[in-house]
Amino acid sequence: SYELTQPPSVSVSPGQTARITCSGDALPKQYASWYQQKPGQAPVLIIYKDSERPSGIPERISGSSSGTTVTLTISGVQAEDEANYYCQSADSRDSSPYVIFGGGTKLTVL
Amino acid sequence: QVQLVQSGPEVKEPGASVKVSCKASGYIFTSSYMHWVRQAPGQGLEWMGIINPSDGRAVYAQKFQGRVSMTSDTSTSTVYLDLSSLRSDDTAVHYCATSTVAEFDSWGQGTLVTVSS
Repeated sequence: SYELTQPPSVSVSPGQTARITCSGDALPKQYASWYQQKPGQAPVLIIYKDSERPSGIPERISGSSSGTTVTLTISGVQAEDEANYYCQSADSRDSSPYVIFGGGTKLTVL
Repeated sequence: QVQLVQSGPEVKEPGASVKVSCKASGYIFTSSYMHWVRQAPGQGLEWMGIINPSDGRAVYAQKFQGRVSMTSDTSTSTVYLDLSSLRSDDTAVHYCATSTVAEFDSWGQGTLVTVSS
């Protein structure tokens, strides 16, 4: 079955750059999206189509793709960036859509 | 702006069914797909299925087939999630979320379904 693999946790100091990876065999042919989720809140879309930012998302948040891995990069990390981050992609099975999420990465700002 | 407002928390006994609603506003209801995603306490996100509000056709994740149903009411711009034969591991926050392509643009506030005897 199709899986997306993320590291469980990433820690950075304020002002540094955080990179969160997401690996999956279908990523070379399917776009990935990223969501930020803070405790008690619904997820928020922060990156789509591997590297596009929705309006209102700061430029210090970016996405990239290389082969079977997509990467979320947060530059100049701030305390407010501490959250769980999930990658997501879609595929099809027997002509039916199928959505998969990574297991999530907790970003800790030291 | 897009708003998805979900129904309130539910407490159900094992074996029962639950129906969660998601009322949409701020966009053309039939122009976007609607998904249901759930999150067990302290766990990650899990996709349950998708419905096309314009024709009511739904596709469900294999894990839930046979005990899940998603429906839509265009007259009230509301989609519904029905989950039957509830078990304790169905305890989770259930979210509705819109998509026009492959990403989830907007999310509801979530509905906690607790299954407990």
